[in-house]
Amino acid sequence: DTGVSQDPRHKITKRGQNVTFRCDPISEHNRLYWYRQTLGQGPEFLTYFQNEAQLEKSRLLSDRFSAERPKGSFSTLEIQRTEQGDSAMYLCASSSRASNYGYTFGSGTRLTVV
Amino acid sequence: GNSVTQMEGPVTLSEEAFLTINCTYTATGYPSLFWYVQYPGEGLQLLLKATKADDKGSNKGFEATYRKETTSFHLEKGSVQVSDSAVYFCALSAGAGTALIFGKGTTLSVSS
Repeated sequence: DTGVSQDPRHKITKRGQNVTFRCDPISEHNRLYWYRQTLGQGPEFLTYFQNEAQLEKSRLLSDRFSAERPKGSFSTLEIQRTEQGDSAMYLCASSSRASNYGYTFGSGTRLTVV
Repeated sequence: GNSVTQMEGPVTLSEEAFLTINCTYTATGYPSLFWYVQYPGEGLQLLLKATKADDKGSNKGFEATYRKETTSFHLEKGSVQVSDSAVYFCALSAGAGTALIFGKGTTLSVSS
């Protein structure tokens, strides 16, 4: 297993465009988390899934953000009508009971909105 | 709500100096506590963790003790190396498998 994979690594988009990021968790991990990290700050929780069910969403997750995990494997995070304030690193992590809920993070997708 | 507060950085030390990075938390119940490290250009890596009061987490010469009476989880290392230069994040999880709540991070810079 190669760990948590995120794609793309970098994304530059114009304000107002929609973007979608993908996260492939460790295959046996049933929990998947999305975080956002801006420069000089710690990661901020956005949402998490157990299998295909979205269990919790942060108030940071505005209506322009949507996340899915349709078959309980990979997940996508979509941002509609991007704004400059959306520029950040988007991190994905996964965990499972078998791993004693140890969180493994991906390398992130860096979004720049111009 | 749950939160983590860690000391402001940057922390600048000479090689072999003693390191302390303070971390305090606010949480209901009995959270698990973590230290994560982010080396330049790399992703977040778990450094150490503790799941109950008085537990000591340790790894790579770093250690931290879960102090419920002072709601603290300070990170220490007796002799830092240049390779320890990174950003260190304190975090908590209110329950098994729930989302991590992170502090803002402390940048450590070690010079030879």
